[in-house]
Amino acid sequence: QQQVKQSPQSLIVQKGGISIINCAYENTAFDYFPWYQQFPGKGPALLIAIRPDVSEKKEGRFTISFNKSAKQFSLHIMDSQPGDSATYFCAATYSNDYKLSFGAGTTVTVRA
Amino acid sequence: DTAVSQTPKYLVTQMGNDKSIKCEQNLGHDTMYWYKQDSKKFLKIMFSYNNKELIINETVPNRFSPKSPDKAHLNLHINSLELGDSAVYFCASSGQGPGAEAFFGQGTRLTVV
Repeated sequence: QQQVKQSPQSLIVQKGGISIINCAYENTAFDYFPWYQQFPGKGPALLIAIRPDVSEKKEGRFTISFNKSAKQFSLHIMDSQPGDSATYFCAATYSNDYKLSFGAGTTVTVRA
Repeated sequence: DTAVSQTPKYLVTQMGNDKSIKCEQNLGHDTMYWYKQDSKKFLKIMFSYNNKELIINETVPNRFSPKSPDKAHLNLHINSLELGDSAVYFCASSGQGPGAEAFFGQGTRLTVV
């Protein structure tokens, strides 16, 4: 079964707007939560990641918010640009595991 | 230089055939993976090798057999291909032990007709 649930499946945002993608997990052993970005015809690439000892991490226009008690985390894309149009995957793993459990992905379309 | 490269990029074949996908990484990583991405873009791990040793085998049919001749290479051989095997297969690698960042190849789109 899917260990990480991601929503929405797709979203459309105007240039300059904010994109928000939400993820939820059940396994409390997870301690590393990366987000991957995938462009058509390419492999996923790490965008930003967070560990549960912090509630927020920001890198440029991308911010992860983490709520440990609710077992939820989200990606905010500020000032969305057409070049941000891609599929975004949240994922989770834990320190003594080698595999990533991915969410189902969110396709983001930024309209100019 | 491509960090994780896999060949071929596209593979079209008939049902019942046997095919292989090759993967090489030049990042010096100890761990390599095969992931499958289905038509709905869902990514799921198939196998993981650490220092040439199989450490993850996720309920994949026996028709799929990974082989790691050395730390830098992880190949995937598929016997008796079925229509349901059509997907994009990604090779990935990571270093520094469990939980480290995974670097993905560009994928192999397999179409079984």
